[in-house]
Amino acid sequence: DVKVTQSSRYLVKRTGEKVFLECVQDMDHENMFWYRQDPGLGLRLIYFSYDVKMKEKGDIPEGYSVSREKKERFSLILESASTNQTSMYLCASSFTGTGRDGYTFGSGTRLTVV
Amino acid sequence: DQQVKQNSPSLSVQEGRISILNCDYTNSMFDYFLWYKKYPAEGPTFLISISSIKDKNEDGRFTVFLNKSAKHLSLHIVPSQPGDSAVYFCAASDSGTYKYIFGTGTRLKVLA
Repeated sequence: DVKVTQSSRYLVKRTGEKVFLECVQDMDHENMFWYRQDPGLGLRLIYFSYDVKMKEKGDIPEGYSVSREKKERFSLILESASTNQTSMYLCASSFTGTGRDGYTFGSGTRLTVV
Repeated sequence: DQQVKQNSPSLSVQEGRISILNCDYTNSMFDYFLWYKKYPAEGPTFLISISSIKDKNEDGRFTVFLNKSAKHLSLHIVPSQPGDSAVYFCAASDSGTYKYIFGTGTRLKVLA
């Protein structure tokens, strides 16, 4: 069974901390994505990557950075966590460039910044 | 600017009846659409898709209809089951991009 695995289901961090969210996929997908889900706002794209060491900003990249050193791993970094970054974070991957096969999502990480 | 809109945040339907979830989009370049289902504390799972060259796609109890002139798509679930209770997201993309734009979601509750 193919999978996208997010390392933590729940995280509580303090304001100002540097936070790393890890995502690993075992499907040899080229494309990986980070979204956040907030009530009333749906899924919003933070960053995506279509190849190792390649990254592009999504719709809400401010306050975030990403790293993709290996094809299977895509990390989201909150440089200095703030309370408005409290959210559900979802990682996804896809095989084709246009995602015609759809995304495979991880189970999500619920991050609370206090 | 919300390019993909789901104007109904929630919907309640009796078991066995039809559920109709709606989605509107503004970008005429969108040519591929997906529906995802999301249970609490889980990631979204792919449900059904439709290309702009079609106006209907069916998979078991799930049918997606696309009206390009109205920039509107809908998901029909017949018959609805309690296990269908979840949040449903529509998503759209245009050819050559790597990313989908998601709607805000509709929470469906199927009452037994």
